Amino acid sequence: EAGVVQSPRYKIIEKKQPVAFWCNPISGHNTLYWYLQNLGQGPELLIRYENEEAVDDSQLPKDRFSAERLKGVDSTLKIQPAELGDSAVYLCASSFSAEGDTQYFGPGTRLTVL
Amino acid sequence: SQELEQSPQSLIVQEGKNLTINCTSSKTLYGLYWYKQKYGEGLIFLMMLQKGGEEKSHEKITAKLDEKKQQSSLHITASQPSHAGIYLCGAYTEYGNKLVFGAGTILRVKS
Repeated sequence: EAGVVQSPRYKIIEKKQPVAFWCNPISGHNTLYWYLQNLGQGPELLIRYENEEAVDDSQLPKDRFSAERLKGVDSTLKIQPAELGDSAVYLCASSFSAEGDTQYFGPGTRLTVL
Repeated sequence: SQELEQSPQSLIVQEGKNLTINCTSSKTLYGLYWYKQKYGEGLIFLMMLQKGGEEKSHEKITAKLDEKKQQSSLHITASQPSHAGIYLCGAYTEYGNKLVFGAGTILRVKS
């Protein structure tokens, strides 16, 4: 069974440029998560989707970050414009449901903003 | 908000030695997850503990949950270079809809 797929794995951009990350969850998983992981820290939740509905986006900086999960499968996380402080690893995870289920993570996208 | 504190922050052990990593919660644990992360990669699920006193093992890794102390420990027996990485504990908040993580413990195994 394929795991969570993310692309790209690495991205280097200039500040003020836009960037987008893509995630394909494990087949059959209804809940999808985007996390931000800074160096030396654990992942922090940005947004959680249940099917196509964003049910927790309280930690998403909405002035520059946006996300979508069309048709309740793949998801895209976008930053526009990127700032130096956005350099981090962006992780996508999925679970069968949101009620305390085990979350399975993708390999992440390492973003460097110059 | 719930916080998880891991100790030690990092450790270096000689191959073949045993080691223990601790995870302490500021609030009651309703479920505790252990993940392993290689540098530059995603988190790999190791095991999940739900009940006080519960203990699970996978190969040479054993995890225990002590609800009274709001603490979990991860024990590795006869460490190998393949055990090197970052170990993260995660726990769901009281309402079961958000997973919070500790900062991680960096493990290096010298061969």
